[in-house]
Amino acid sequence: GQNIDQPTEMTATEGAIVQINCTYQTSGFNGLFWYQQHAGEAPTFLSYNVLDGLEEKGRFSSFLSRSKGYSYLLLKELQMKDSASYLCAVRDSNYQLIWGAGTKLIIKP
Amino acid sequence: GAVVSQHPSWVICKSGTSVKIECRSLDFQATTMFWYRQFPKQSLMLMATSNEGSKATYEQGVEKDKFLINHASLTLSTLTVTSAHPEDSSFYICSAPLGQGGSSPLHFGNGTRLTVT
Repeated sequence: GQNIDQPTEMTATEGAIVQINCTYQTSGFNGLFWYQQHAGEAPTFLSYNVLDGLEEKGRFSSFLSRSKGYSYLLLKELQMKDSASYLCAVRDSNYQLIWGAGTKLIIKP
Repeated sequence: GAVVSQHPSWVICKSGTSVKIECRSLDFQATTMFWYRQFPKQSLMLMATSNEGSKATYEQGVEKDKFLINHASLTLSTLTVTSAHPEDSSFYICSAPLGQGGSSPLHFGNGTRLTVT
């Protein structure tokens, strides 16, 4: 079967750095996406990785290792507004998106 | 700005009535749109794939006669929840890929919160 694992919840301090991990086992691989979802709102696109390595976008970076079936989202200089759920999604060989359950990130002052 | 528009944002209806939710792609054509449902504190669940000019593809366990999908044009898909019941109360979200390539992310509408009384 296809599976994506993320921690259920993480807590971090304002101004700090946090890394949210995602591991996956899917039928093929055609890219990995990270989305941010605030409570009661729809997800918004953060990043896309298809090749191994690090993609940086301002305070957010995403890393991929295809051989390990592993990705992480790195958030720097955390702000209170970063409190949200972070969803990892993998596009499989049929170009279907497989979603993780999401990681709820709590930022404390 | 938003690339996918969804309407209404919220709706309250009585049990047994039908509710229509619209999803529009703004400034781009979407031959495929996706309808998701999300219950509180749970992840997104794909309900169906809406295909312009052909029948929608429903995920296992989703009743196609209850959740009617019509992809009327390259910029509009609608989801109608027929004979709604309280257990249909949920957050419904549509999405569309911006572009045709495999790197195209899904962009989501703002979602519709349905409450059936």
